[in-house]
Amino acid sequence: AQSVTQPDIHITVSEGASLELRCNYSYGATPYLFWYVQSPGQGLQLLLKYFSGDTLVQGIKGFEAEFKRSQSSFNLRKPSVHWSDAAEYFCAVGEGDTGRRALTFGSGTRLQVQP
Amino acid sequence: DTEVTQTPKHLVMGMTNKKSLKCEQHMGHRAMYWYKQKAKKPPELMFVYSYEKLSINESVPSRFSPECPNSSLLNLHLHALQPEDSALYLCASSQGSGTSSYEQYFGPGTRLTVT
Repeated sequence: AQSVTQPDIHITVSEGASLELRCNYSYGATPYLFWYVQSPGQGLQLLLKYFSGDTLVQGIKGFEAEFKRSQSSFNLRKPSVHWSDAAEYFCAVGEGDTGRRALTFGSGTRLQVQP
Repeated sequence: DTEVTQTPKHLVMGMTNKKSLKCEQHMGHRAMYWYKQKAKKPPELMFVYSYEKLSINESVPSRFSPECPNSSLLNLHLHALQPEDSALYLCASSQGSGTSSYEQYFGPGTRLTVT
């Protein structure tokens, strides 16, 4: 079965600083990878996705992520963080070769932004 | 329009009550999902409907009963719940086939409290 690990439970960055959130997945075949963001008490918003092709993907709100198959990673980055980026971030993987349309989520990383 | 709506936003119910959660999307999606999310945890998949048929049931207790009356609507009927069922219930939808079927769009959720 697939799994997703987000090693950082909580990260604090200063506004304007760069950000990298880590995500490692365990899946033998074709992973479909996603990053979602969740503000307190809200639903999840899709930031970006990777299915195949170019390993650097651009998303909304200035986020990007890079797929590295050799490291089983899909880290999320942003060059300059805004206070409104404070939220919970979830990495997720879908089973790309089984057709089972169920995402497995990591445990999440809570981002705090200092002024 | 990538909007999934859920009603009600908040629900408080006793352990002997019967209530329903509703979810609606008008994106033409043919797959719909129910997730349960406890505080500070990732969403956990409960049910998946594909083309109005139940395709995945993650061994959810029978006190939760899903229903998909048509391709735009998804209900979750609740009966004889336990206090530990208190959580944020999230609905999501996606395309019915192809890689886009893994790209799920979430509603804002229903905050359920069982007393």
